[in-house]
Formats: sequence, C-alpha cells, structure tokens
Amino acid sequence: DGGITQSPKYLFRKEGQNVTLSCEQNLNHDAMYWYRQDPGQGLRLIYYSQIVNDFQKGDIAEGYSVSREKKESFPLTVTSAQKNPTAFYLCAGGTGSSPLHFGNGTRLTVT
Amino acid sequence: SQQGEEDPQALSIQEGENATMNCSYKTSINNLQWYRQNSGRGLVHLILIRSNEREKHSGRLRVTLDTSKKSSSLLITASRAADTASYFCATDAGGAQKLVFGQGTRLTINP
Repeated sequence: DGGITQSPKYLFRKEGQNVTLSCEQNLNHDAMYWYRQDPGQGLRLIYYSQIVNDFQKGDIAEGYSVSREKKESFPLTVTSAQKNPTAFYLCAGGTGSSPLHFGNGTRLTVT
Repeated sequence: SQQGEEDPQALSIQEGENATMNCSYKTSINNLQWYRQNSGRGLVHLILIRSNEREKHSGRLRVTLDTSKKSSSLLITASRAADTASYFCATDAGGAQKLVFGQGTRLTINP
C-alpha cells in the first residue's frame, strides 16, 4: 500500500538522550515535512526538505536535526538540546501545491 | 508561526445536525485547505479551495472562502458520529510548499 509510514508509534526516552524518529514514503513525493503537535494545538513546522540532500528549518527547528539522503526517507532526530521534547510528531509528504499526505505519527515521551 | 485561528475551539452537536467551523488568516494566500484528524492519528486532506474560488463542495462538505475578510468556513451537513474528529485549516501563506495550520476545531457528534 502506498503511504507515509512512521515508526515507532510510541517512543519513550530518558532525558538527555537523542532519539531518531523514522519516516518513509513510497508515494514519490518530492517534498517531506516534520511537524510537531502538542495537546489540543495545531501543527508547527520543524523541518522540511524539497529535494534529496537539501532541507530547511521550519518555525521550531532548535533542538532537532534531519537528513534526506534518499527520496523515500526523512528521519528526524530529537536531540538533548530540545528543552521540551514530549509531543506528537507527524511526518508528511507532498508535491508542488498538492495536498499533503500524513503518516500516523509518533508519540514521544521523555522523562 | 500560527497564521490561522479557528472558531470555535470545540463544538458538540447532535447527530443529524449541521456543523460549521470557521478559519481566519492574516496574509494573502493562493489556496486554503481543510484537514481532518481522528484522535491519535495523522491528518487526512478533505478539500482545497483556491483564492479565486468562493465555494466548493465535496459530498457532505461545503467550504467557502472570503479573501476580502481573510476567512473560510467548513460546513458538514447531516453529521454522523463518525465525523467526530478535529478539523484544521491550512494556508500556503508560509511560502511555496510550506503549509501553516490553524489551532483546530474539536468536533463531537453525539448519537
């Protein structure tokens, strides 16, 4: 089936540890995005990539890093520098001005 | 940054009634999109309306756009329990391929 696959669905980490969230797509989307969602809130853009080997910061990039080594994959690393990492993370893909396709999210809990 | 403001933040109605949600934005746009999110899941695209369109229909959904007032509304007619979800508007005001999401309206349909 085509889609955006995020894994794992739930992730637990201790404070001070880096953690990487996976996002894979088989929709051949040029652009991929990472959003953060806090309870009862909208989505805030962390990073996005329009082509392989290139990415740009979004509105809340501090404490996060990404890579785009191949078109299908756009992993997000939440570093220990992120002060409040507990959140729901959503990956999406799109092409041009077409609507975004979203994965089902990873819920990260840091204690 | 969050551009959209949605109203109301939460809405609870009886099954069969119509539900109306509003979205306001601040800057010029090329298009506005509405997405739906079931609890704990990713967002699903519902409808896209371009800046030169005033109204668009898709099944039980009706979207209007008033660019002079910088506002849009989503009407769901003959609501069903399965329509219970959060609904988000998103604009391309963030630039090419950067959607900016509103805070969302949490809709509950009571059977």
